[in-house]
Amino acid sequence: KQEVTQIPAALSVPEGENLVLNCSFTDSAIYNLQWFRQDPGKGLTSLLLIQSSQREQTSGRLNASLDKSSGRSTLYIAASQPGDSATYLCAPHTGTASKLTFGTGTRLQVTL
Amino acid sequence: GEEVAQTPKHLVRGEGQKAKLYCAPIKGHSYVFWYQQVLKNEFKFLISFQNENVFDETGMPKERFSAKCLPNSPCSLEIQATKLEDSAVYFCASSQEQGRIYGYTFGSGTRLTVV
Repeated sequence: KQEVTQIPAALSVPEGENLVLNCSFTDSAIYNLQWFRQDPGKGLTSLLLIQSSQREQTSGRLNASLDKSSGRSTLYIAASQPGDSATYLCAPHTGTASKLTFGTGTRLQVTL
Repeated sequence: GEEVAQTPKHLVRGEGQKAKLYCAPIKGHSYVFWYQQVLKNEFKFLISFQNENVFDETGMPKERFSAKCLPNSPCSLEIQATKLEDSAVYFCASSQEQGRIYGYTFGSGTRLTVV
């Protein structure tokens, strides 16, 4: 059974900092891994989708890396802004189960 | 449309009442998935469909939960005789394939409160 852990659980940083969110998963037989953002009381917004054959995927100030064999992914946010404040969730798509398994999330607060 | 549309946004039911939630997937997406978010970040997979056929129902509590995806209609998730523990946000997602290539697109969720 896939288990997904995200570290740290919560993070508060001043505006402008670069930061790294970590995700680890136990079953490396994945098709891809998605990073989502969830604002309080809102739905899930897909930020990046990284295929199992890829090492990195970039979108604007966001960069996600994937090391499938070691069961790790990181989300790098450059020059953080208050608007980045949200909960970030990683979700590998496990091959055998053919569904997403969500991590525990990292709650990010970026202060002025 | 280009978004997964979930209705209603909020639903309040007395314990024992029925609740019915709806999801319209993105046009052209043949897979639909239902997830339940309890507490803050605990997501539980419930069921998935390939068109109108159940693809995976391993997460469904069989006694009171049922779901359908019929042609030319929104998909639905129904809870008979709701319990307090059913209070959660229910998310629907759709994908073009099983999500292996293009990933999932999620709706904004339905918040169910059982009182």
